[in-house]
Amino acid sequence: GAVVSQHPSWVICKSGTSVKIECRSLDFQATTMFWYRQFPKQSLMLMATSNEGSKATYEQGVEKDKFLINHASLTLSTLTVTSAHPEDSSFYICSARDPGSVKNIQYFGAGTRLSVL
Amino acid sequence: DQQVKQNSPSLSVQEGRISILNCDYTNSMFDYFLWYKKYPAEGPTFLISISSIKDKNEDGRFTVFLNKSAKHLSLHIVPSQPGDSAVYFCAASLGGAGSYQLTFGKGTKLSVIP
Repeated sequence: GAVVSQHPSWVICKSGTSVKIECRSLDFQATTMFWYRQFPKQSLMLMATSNEGSKATYEQGVEKDKFLINHASLTLSTLTVTSAHPEDSSFYICSARDPGSVKNIQYFGAGTRLSVL
Repeated sequence: DQQVKQNSPSLSVQEGRISILNCDYTNSMFDYFLWYKKYPAEGPTFLISISSIKDKNEDGRFTVFLNKSAKHLSLHIVPSQPGDSAVYFCAASLGGAGSYQLTFGKGTKLSVIP
């Protein structure tokens, strides 16, 4: 299957700082990427849909000024958690849709564990 | 309101036997269903999918069955192997052009006992 790289895999930061997470599609051009958040023993919750060259579409309840998404190229989307607080600590996962594959298969990155102190 | 439900949080199966993971959905507009496998601290890996126009799709040891009238799908793994131990997520998507979003269930943790 297609390869999606996510970096960093783990980050610890102080409260009030900003953290940037990168998601790259390595062997295909992804016009659409997705950002999820997963709480322990919970499902993957879609935060936003990132479309190359346009603004991201945020799900209800997700603060767009808190979670900044940029999809500046066909292979890179970034999620910036601004002014992070302990309640933002979570597992963040990105995925990308390969336009050349079957319609709705998304390929996932390995995830980023964010711990805010 | 959860549109995709996996009511069994965990399942234990003996190596070599069949594993059956179940998933129910409430939205009749879903037209494509996927199963993902996830190891701890890793992203989900795509396993197998099925379109709503089919009732069965098979890929090696993995078979997905879809019962549209019951809004139920299941993943069968046979024979089960210790390496299959992971969390399995059921996901569904709506029809129509541009409908690429997936709705996930909470997952079922499968443990295959050697």
